[in-house]
Amino acid sequence: AQKITQTQPGMFVQEKEAVTLDCTYDTSDQSYGLFWYKQPSSGEMIFLIYQGSYDEQNATEGRYSLNFQKARKSANLVISASQLGDSAMYFCAMRGSSSGSARQLTFGSGTQLTVLP
Amino acid sequence: DVKVTQSSRYLVKRTGEKVFLECVQDMDHENMFWYRQDPGLGLRLIYFSYDVKMKEKGDIPEGYSVSREKKERFSLILESASTNQTSMYLCASSSGRDRYFGPGTRLTVT
Repeated sequence: AQKITQTQPGMFVQEKEAVTLDCTYDTSDQSYGLFWYKQPSSGEMIFLIYQGSYDEQNATEGRYSLNFQKARKSANLVISASQLGDSAMYFCAMRGSSSGSARQLTFGSGTQLTVLP
Repeated sequence: DVKVTQSSRYLVKRTGEKVFLECVQDMDHENMFWYRQDPGLGLRLIYFSYDVKMKEKGDIPEGYSVSREKKERFSLILESASTNQTSMYLCASSSGRDRYFGPGTRLTVT
């Protein structure tokens, strides 16, 4: 079974500062993928960034980077230079490679980020 | 752009009613998914389908059924709605790694 844990229900950050959203995971699969999604108040889920378990470098997409520490089973999202529009719910998710888990995404409980002006 | 559309953004139904939530995608994706989202619980998978007429149970299938008669359409059915099915329902489709979500349907069962 796969499990994603996000221990921060809510976070606040000052505009223009960096913020780290925590995510730890548990899986018995050797190959897996880690995702981060953003969900604004409008409700749609927006894909942000992906990290494969065998990727040697941490993924980056613009102001988003993923701090992947495989031995610690963590995949934290770092948002640099926060903007007011970054205020949203953020979900960490994982997809495994074994039968039954390869097509599914397992989500964490989410972190509500509020960017303060 | 991939589009995943859901038939309603908001829905209010009475206990015991049969409820249909429709999802349509326009990118010929094989895989389609239904999730429910509740505060503090994240998204939980109800059912998914990897081909027409094929379906598999997710983590919380009880009280739900699904139908996929055409590749582009995946329906979630609440046979007899109950108040504990009040939630946000999200549909998604994928082909490979990327997953695309619909805007969600907020269902209230009174």
